[in-house]
Amino acid sequence: ETGVTQTPRHLVMGMTNKKSLKCEQHLGHNAMYWYKQSAKKPLELMFVYSLEERVENNSVPSRFSPECPNSSHLFLHLHTLQPEDSALYLCASSQEQGARGYTFGSGTRLTVV
Amino acid sequence: EDKVVQSPLSLVVHEGDTVTLNCSYEVTNFRSLLWYKQEKKAPTFLFMLTSSGIEKKSGRLSSILDKKELFSILNITATQTGDSAVYLCASSGSARQLTFGSGTQLTVLP
Repeated sequence: ETGVTQTPRHLVMGMTNKKSLKCEQHLGHNAMYWYKQSAKKPLELMFVYSLEERVENNSVPSRFSPECPNSSHLFLHLHTLQPEDSALYLCASSQEQGARGYTFGSGTRLTVV
Repeated sequence: EDKVVQSPLSLVVHEGDTVTLNCSYEVTNFRSLLWYKQEKKAPTFLFMLTSSGIEKKSGRLSSILDKKELFSILNITATQTGDSAVYLCASSGSARQLTFGSGTQLTVLP
């Protein structure tokens, strides 16, 4: 375990479902990130939270909705997803925003059917 | 827009071979370059480089940065099947978030 825990590990959902991905870190980091990893593409930054405030939203569709209730927890709420949203969703945390690299979770493999 | 390009995209070698993975970057106000290894899911940190010409080494892995030519290489000597993974290069700059390359898929055959 890296210190960043993501649940669930796998998720299959229909296009009309609502689900949430959870990320938890107990490393004392103050920044948390959501990345999307699709096959043969670079990791795509979705959202950045620093000190519990959203500081980055990279033109992500509104069907993805992040929530950061405290510095240790990060959620990604999903609703009415499309098949092209199927991917590995990785959560990461860092002590300072981008300065020293990230600690990643193991990811949630999402399949939209 | 910051950009990181890795080559080759994939590489197949035999155990014992030496491999060199390449990473070039275009980053505004460059701060650091990082290498990660991704075996199944979670990328794990390998190296962070901030200064040109200083080699970082960990066992059979080593990496160096050239800030003039804007690239970095990751060397793996005496490869083992356990080195099979995707190797990710990332850079941070004024955007403060890491920008990742597409990765190099390394397969080491017995």
